[in-house]
Amino acid sequence: RKEVEQDPGPFNVPEGATVAFNCTYSNSASQSFFWYRQDCRKEPKLLMSVYSSGNEDGRFTAQLNRASQYISLLIRDSKLSDSATYLCVVNEAKTSYDKVIFGPGTSLSVIP
Amino acid sequence: NAGVTQTPKFRILKIGQSMTLQCTQDMNHNYMYWYRQDPGMGLKLIYYSVGAGITDKGEVPNGYNVSRSTTEDFPLRLELAAPSQTSVYFCASSYSGAGNQPQHFGDGTRLSIL
Repeated sequence: RKEVEQDPGPFNVPEGATVAFNCTYSNSASQSFFWYRQDCRKEPKLLMSVYSSGNEDGRFTAQLNRASQYISLLIRDSKLSDSATYLCVVNEAKTSYDKVIFGPGTSLSVIP
Repeated sequence: NAGVTQTPKFRILKIGQSMTLQCTQDMNHNYMYWYRQDPGMGLKLIYYSVGAGITDKGEVPNGYNVSRSTTEDFPLRLELAAPSQTSVYFCASSYSGAGNQPQHFGDGTRLSIL
């Protein structure tokens, strides 16, 4: 099993739709989680951290399920500008260093 | 706010040539990383550093070398360029190993080996 897995997509959704992505991780000791977005030929940028109780930032909601070892990202009222690849990131903080693992990404295209 | 700065942004090399990709950050971050991303693929960790003088291999270190003489700089060296090293290279940094510190990325260096 890969350390971090994501559905590669692509997800093609109309403007205004709600879309959800899931990400599973294999190490139950993983300690922190993030969602990044990456536009075509650009660098990854932090979208939001994922907190144990779940958190929301505008149209974006992130949730963590430690028991099932997955995190999710929900995007409401999709905009054309949301078209990007969404990367799930898991931090297996060790005693001496961080092991940060990027998922392969899920591609989203929002269609007019 | 400069953040993480990578140079050059683009480069074409001939097979067997060598070059150094530069990366510098002005956020006083302890951790720095080098990734490569092939077209349509995810990020792969080449090397990382947890502080000045300390470096370690990532997932795909073969063909590369790094050094970390200062907190700010983390250059990546290609000694004998090969076509398989054609990729986009990203440098990143984060504050510490506290576990909840996100990585900040540079704009990337697009490297072609012909």
